[in-house]
Amino acid sequence: DAGVIQSPRHEVTEMGQEVTLRCKPISGHDYLFWYRQTMMRGLELLIYFNNNVPIDDSGMPEDRFSAKMPNASFSTLKIQPSEPRDSAVYFCASSDRVPEQYFGPGTRLTVT
Amino acid sequence: AQKITQTQPGMFVQEKEAVTLDCTYDTSDPSYGLFWYKQPSSGEMIFLIYQGSYDQQNATEGRYSLNFQKARKSANLVISASQLGDSAMYFCAMRELKRGAGSYQLTFGKGTKLSVIP
Repeated sequence: DAGVIQSPRHEVTEMGQEVTLRCKPISGHDYLFWYRQTMMRGLELLIYFNNNVPIDDSGMPEDRFSAKMPNASFSTLKIQPSEPRDSAVYFCASSDRVPEQYFGPGTRLTVT
Repeated sequence: AQKITQTQPGMFVQEKEAVTLDCTYDTSDPSYGLFWYKQPSSGEMIFLIYQGSYDQQNATEGRYSLNFQKARKSANLVISASQLGDSAMYFCAMRELKRGAGSYQLTFGKGTKLSVIP
């Protein structure tokens, strides 16, 4: 079984540009989570979906961030416009009805 | 107040020895779950073990066991027979229901860096 797939693995962009991160959850998993990891703040939950519906987006830092899940096998996290403080590793994770989540390899975002 | 506290920023252990990584948590909910994840230097997050607040027995998964002391609000991870490949960051996390929101809150600790010495 393929795990959670994220693309790109690395992204370097200039301040002000739009960034789109992509995630394909494990087939059959109905929960999808987006996390951000930084040295200062650790691992933070940004938003999660259940059956493609956003359940809790209270962790999204500001309006520049948006996430969508148009179908059960695809989700995006978009930052527009990007800022240097958005530099972090962004993880996508998925789960089914069990508590544990399975993480993707992460996308390392650098905004210059 | 921090929801998850990992007081050991770094730990060293001799290969083949056992090591305990500390985790304390703070919640007023009777129903919650506790997790441990491993993050090697390559960056991926690997699920290790889960303990539900109502589970009567401590969770075990191979060389990993969770020493769950509910009254003390601690959920320490014990790794037996350490291997060089166990060198990584280890994160404790808690899932609890957000009051009035109908959704779950997931909180991770700051992590403990474990180094296994040959």
